[in-house]
Amino acid sequence: RKEVEQDPGPFNVPEGATVAFNCTYSNSASQSFFWYRQDCRKEPKLLMSVYSSGNEDGRFTAQLNRASQYISLLIRDSKLSDSATYLCVVKGGGYQKVTFGTGTKLQVIP
Amino acid sequence: GAVVSQHPSWVICKSGTSVKIECRSLDFQATTMFWYRQFPKQSLMLMATSNEGSKATYEQGVEKDKFLINHASLTLSTLTVTSAHPEDSSFYICSARDLGGANEKLFFGSGTQLSVL
Repeated sequence: RKEVEQDPGPFNVPEGATVAFNCTYSNSASQSFFWYRQDCRKEPKLLMSVYSSGNEDGRFTAQLNRASQYISLLIRDSKLSDSATYLCVVKGGGYQKVTFGTGTKLQVIP
Repeated sequence: GAVVSQHPSWVICKSGTSVKIECRSLDFQATTMFWYRQFPKQSLMLMATSNEGSKATYEQGVEKDKFLINHASLTLSTLTVTSAHPEDSSFYICSARDLGGANEKLFFGSGTQLSVL
């Protein structure tokens, strides 16, 4: 089983739609969780950290479920500019290893 | 502005040559940096964790003698791809961990596209 798993997609959604991504992780000792956005052939950029109580930043909402070992990202009112690959990132383990999921590709269609 | 500088952005080299990629943290000290490789349409794959002043920790399947990592200062880590071959052609990205402030942050370099002919 992969350490961090995501549905690769692609998710093709119309503008204005709401879309949700899930990510599961295998290491129960994982401590920190993040969502990154990566545009084609660019470096990943931090979208938001994920806190235990859930957190929201504008149209983006992230949630963490430690019992089931998954995190989620909800995007409301999708914009064309949201088209990108969204990477789930998990930190933890013996030497604070950072592990990326395979990424979920989102394509917002006009 | 960028807080992690990666250089060069792209390099084309002949098979058998060595290529050095630099990763610098610009306004913070990074005791730990990470090196990733990304093949087309695939996710970032961690190659190794670079620790200042000590040996790098390599992921399973990554040849430490082929991918030499040096982290001699708190702001610079280098990755040298030795005797590069076409199968080493990939997008290499570094990241640096900023432990200052209330929350730890991970910043990425802009990546290096390596093409080995």
